[in-house]
Amino acid sequence: NAGVMQNPRHLVRRRGQEARLRCSPMKGHSHVYWYRQLPEEGLKFMVYLQKENIIDESGMPKERFSAEFPKEGPSILRIQQVVRGDSAAYFCASSPTAVAGEAEAFFGQGTRLTVV
Amino acid sequence: GNSVTQMEGPVTLSEEAFLTINCTYTATGYPSLFWYVQYPGEGLQLLLKATKADDKGSNKGFEATYRKETTSFHLEKGSVQVSDSAVYFCALRGGATNKLIFGTGTLLAVQP
Repeated sequence: NAGVMQNPRHLVRRRGQEARLRCSPMKGHSHVYWYRQLPEEGLKFMVYLQKENIIDESGMPKERFSAEFPKEGPSILRIQQVVRGDSAAYFCASSPTAVAGEAEAFFGQGTRLTVV
Repeated sequence: GNSVTQMEGPVTLSEEAFLTINCTYTATGYPSLFWYVQYPGEGLQLLLKATKADDKGSNKGFEATYRKETTSFHLEKGSVQVSDSAVYFCALRGGATNKLIFGTGTLLAVQP
């Protein structure tokens, strides 16, 4: 059973370009979380998705950022018109259920986005 | 809303020293509590968890007890090793949407 797969591991974009970050959850997991980790800072919650639904997007910036988790395929975090301040490590986590709060979340290795 | 507060790092210890990393939380209801560890360049790995008051989570010599009266979940280890050097995150899961939220992380550096 493969773990949470994120790709790419490293992504370089010029200011104004679009960044697409992909996350394939563990097999059997239908809940996905996205977090952003800025240099020297902790993990900031961005969005929580279930298949085809956004459950909680309270941590998402109001503009340029969007996320989806379609019925088929990976979850995508999309950042339009990137700026230097978007440079960070973006982590995805998945869990088998949200109803049981004790279910742990499994993390991918992250995508390190650098905006030049 | 729910939140987690960790002691600020870095924490620098000599090998075999005793470790405590403080974590307190604010939450409605009865959250589950977790400690995650992040090694350099890697994602987070679950270290231990506790799902109800007075539960003790333990793994790899680390332990933490869910204290509802003090809303705390402090991480302890009796004798640290150089290989324990990493960033440690306290987290809770609960609230209306059951999302997982983290503290800011504490860098532990263990010197030989």
